[in-house]
Amino acid sequence: DGGITQSPKYLFRKEGQNVTLSCEQNLNHDAMYWYRQDPGQGLRLIYYSQIVNDFQKGDIAEGYSVSREKKESFPLTVTSAQKNPTAFYLCADGVCSYNSPLHFGNGTRLTVT
Amino acid sequence: RKEVEQDPGPFNVPEGATVAFNCTYSNSASQSFFWYRQDCRKEPKLLMSVYSSGNEDGRFTAQLNRASQYISLLIRDSKLSDSATYLCVVNSGSSNTGKLIFGQGTTLQVKP
Repeated sequence: DGGITQSPKYLFRKEGQNVTLSCEQNLNHDAMYWYRQDPGQGLRLIYYSQIVNDFQKGDIAEGYSVSREKKESFPLTVTSAQKNPTAFYLCADGVCSYNSPLHFGNGTRLTVT
Repeated sequence: RKEVEQDPGPFNVPEGATVAFNCTYSNSASQSFFWYRQDCRKEPKLLMSVYSSGNEDGRFTAQLNRASQYISLLIRDSKLSDSATYLCVVNSGSSNTGKLIFGQGTTLQVKP
């Protein structure tokens, strides 16, 4: 739905390890976003990118890193510096327009123990 | 104050009922508004955009009140399949950033 794919669906890691979540889209959209969802909270923006080779920090970027080397790909790395990495991560893409909604991938549920 | 606030609910209603959700936003410069639906453990999906003049899609009606800075979603003749979390979403600024702010969601449970 929306041509955006996240993988894997479930991911388990040991504390102290970096982990990279994949997000790919085939709609030729400029903008891509990473959100985190925790129980009882709305989605919070981690990073976003409006064009290849450029990205901006969102509201909770600490402990995360991204890259945008290709238009269709926007991987998110959860580093060992992220204090509470266990969460549901959603990738979205869209057109760079203020009145344009986003389309989401299916999400990756990351559990760090 | 949160940028986008919703009553988390849950709203428990019988089938056939009419239910309304409200959402308030703090940034008066916000220009675009949406309602998303999220089913348990799944990604949010766009339900409808909210236009200044109000808009309707079947049993769903969305309205915007800029003066009071709130948007609403009305669901008529509730179905069991309407049970989900409804997310209010607001574009946070006036520029072309496409950066959206999500409310925490309002949970609806429709019962037989």
